[in-house]
Amino acid sequence: DQQVKQNSPSLSVQEGRISILNCDYTNSMFDYFLWYKKYPAEGPTFLISISSIKDKNEDGRFTVFLNKSAKHLSLHIVPSQPGDSAVYFCAARATSGTYKYIFGTGTRLKVLA
Amino acid sequence: SQTIHQWPATLVQPVGSPLSLECTVEGTSNPNLYWYRQAAGRGLQLLFYSVGIGQISSEVPQNLSASRPQDRQFILSSKKLLLSDSGFYLCAWSARRDRGWNSPLHFGNGTRLTVT
Repeated sequence: DQQVKQNSPSLSVQEGRISILNCDYTNSMFDYFLWYKKYPAEGPTFLISISSIKDKNEDGRFTVFLNKSAKHLSLHIVPSQPGDSAVYFCAARATSGTYKYIFGTGTRLKVLA
Repeated sequence: SQTIHQWPATLVQPVGSPLSLECTVEGTSNPNLYWYRQAAGRGLQLLFYSVGIGQISSEVPQNLSASRPQDRQFILSSKKLLLSDSGFYLCAWSARRDRGWNSPLHFGNGTRLTVT
């Protein structure tokens, strides 16, 4: 059972435009959500997170939006840069009763110069 | 600042051989520790996590095991490797609950394991 889903395996965007990466989850107990960026042969790097008490969190070029009723979150990168080309993973955790972070399958973002 | 060390970076092992991957965290105490695996073209699969010395929770039944002999040391082992054990293994840590409940997971650089 895939509790965290990233339905788009890849995405191409022109440099300077907005990149929107999407993530859906099924477990209503999840209340902490994270986005990671991963380059080949490296560990994932934490980008930004959001708690379920918020619907938006912003950090520089990165903004995460959370729609709890739809069990959907998205990561917006604006403006996109070639160095943003990587695989992006969303992750979720239920903050009560578990220490597990559940990851999606990733979306490969390619920013075209 | 906190750092996480994971070694070796790459490993090629024959089928049936043993495995030991080690991970240590510096700059924090009582972390929660995790082992994940990324198989080719797949997402990050949680294998084990630990909330304290000697406390191991297994998520995926298989021929791998984990141990936490010290507070900031986490070891992934196997007595006999299978071809299907090939993948990218990642160690990670997060702060304990009482030090920031909404704590992100921080990853090491990973070990690329190829079983031949």
